[in-house]
This record gives sequence, C-alpha cells and structure tokens, in this order.
Amino acid sequence: SYVLTQPPSVSVAPGQTARITCGGNNIGSKSVHWYQQKPGQAPVLVVYDDSDRPSGIPERFSGSNSGNTATLTISRVEAGDEADYYCQVWDSSSDHLFVFGTGTKVTVL
Amino acid sequence: EVQLVESGGGLVQPGGSLRLSCAASGFTFSSYDMHWVRQATGKGLEWVSAIGTAGDTYYPGSVKGRFTISRENAKNSLYLQMNSLRAGDTAVYYCARERSPTTGKFLPDAFDIWGQGTMVTVSS
Repeated sequence: SYVLTQPPSVSVAPGQTARITCGGNNIGSKSVHWYQQKPGQAPVLVVYDDSDRPSGIPERFSGSNSGNTATLTISRVEAGDEADYYCQVWDSSSDHLFVFGTGTKVTVL
Repeated sequence: EVQLVESGGGLVQPGGSLRLSCAASGFTFSSYDMHWVRQATGKGLEWVSAIGTAGDTYYPGSVKGRFTISRENAKNSLYLQMNSLRAGDTAVYYCARERSPTTGKFLPDAFDIWGQGTMVTVSS
C-alpha cells in the first residue's frame, strides 16, 4: 500500500513562510492534491495537480512536486492559515486507491 | 450554490447497519465521480468508496463486502449502505465531489466540494 508521510506539526510566525512536506515513493510521478481542514469543518482543496490553485484560494498557497517529496508552501502566513493540512494522491496499485497523507498541524505563533 | 449535504448518521450497535445519504445541488450531479471519505475523531482522512458516472464502484479492503456506494442521478443523491458495522467504523463521514466532470470513464481527480459530514458512532 502506498504511504504518504507528513511531519506532524509545523510552527511559523505571522508573515513568514510555512513549508509542509509530503513524502512518498516516487511521488514526483503522481499528481498531488492538498487540503486544508480547520477544526470542526470539512476539508477544503487548496492546491491540485501539484501546483494549481482552485478559484478563491490565495496566491500565497503554492505547491511543488519532485522526486520523493511534494511540498505545500504558504507564504506570508496569516493567523487564519492555522489548520491541518493533508496531501493526497491516486495510486492504482494501492488498496486505498485514493491515499491521504498523515496530516500536518500548522500552528501560527 | 454548489453544495453537498449528508444525512443518516447516528448511533448503531456493532454488527448493525446504517444508510448515509448525500444530497447534491448546484451542479450536474450525473457528470461527476463521487466519493465517501471518513475521519475518526482526532485522526486523519481515510477514503472509503467511490462511484463513477457509469455506476462503477471502488472500495478499500477494509470496507469491501460490508459497504455499498450507490447513486440516484434523478434525485441528485449519493448513498452509502454500511453493514456489519464495527467500532473501527466510528467516524465523521463526508461525501465529496471530484473536481472535473467526466463522461463515463473513471478519471481520478482532486476532491473540490465536500459536505459538512455526518457522524456515525458504532457502540453497544
């Protein structure tokens, strides 16, 4: 089964840059999607296909993907960015065809 | 407004059954692959099932044979029939839409629209 590994937590000061990694075997060959989830709320898609943003998502959110690591970057972090973030891929050889990462809690100091 | 609204959650005993519903509005429901995703309290997201526009279905091994996903396009509705429920199935269940419409072929994509979730508790 395909595994996506994320750091449990990332802390960042307001105005600084947060980088959240998502590690997986040859993840660079897959399309990676990123979701933001605030407490008590449903997930929200913030980046799809490695680096594209849905309408309404600020340009501060960007993504990259290469080798064995995909990265979600949040520039000029705001208090409202504090949330859990999950990466996700589709893996046809995995039991869970749609695989989510372990999740990263972003704390704004 | 594009919207998904789940219902049908509740408390059920181990071994029991429950049927979840998801009402879609604001988009052409029949043109989208749809999914159920669950999240146990304090845990991460877990994909539970998917159904394509042609009615093809997909499950992980943990629910295969116990859960059945279905859709009724005329009613813009998605369903999840859950049988032989276990304590480990306790979670918030979300329905989710894939981002791009398809025409029969199942094409995995990101989940761009999510419902608010419905809580399922399996306990005696």
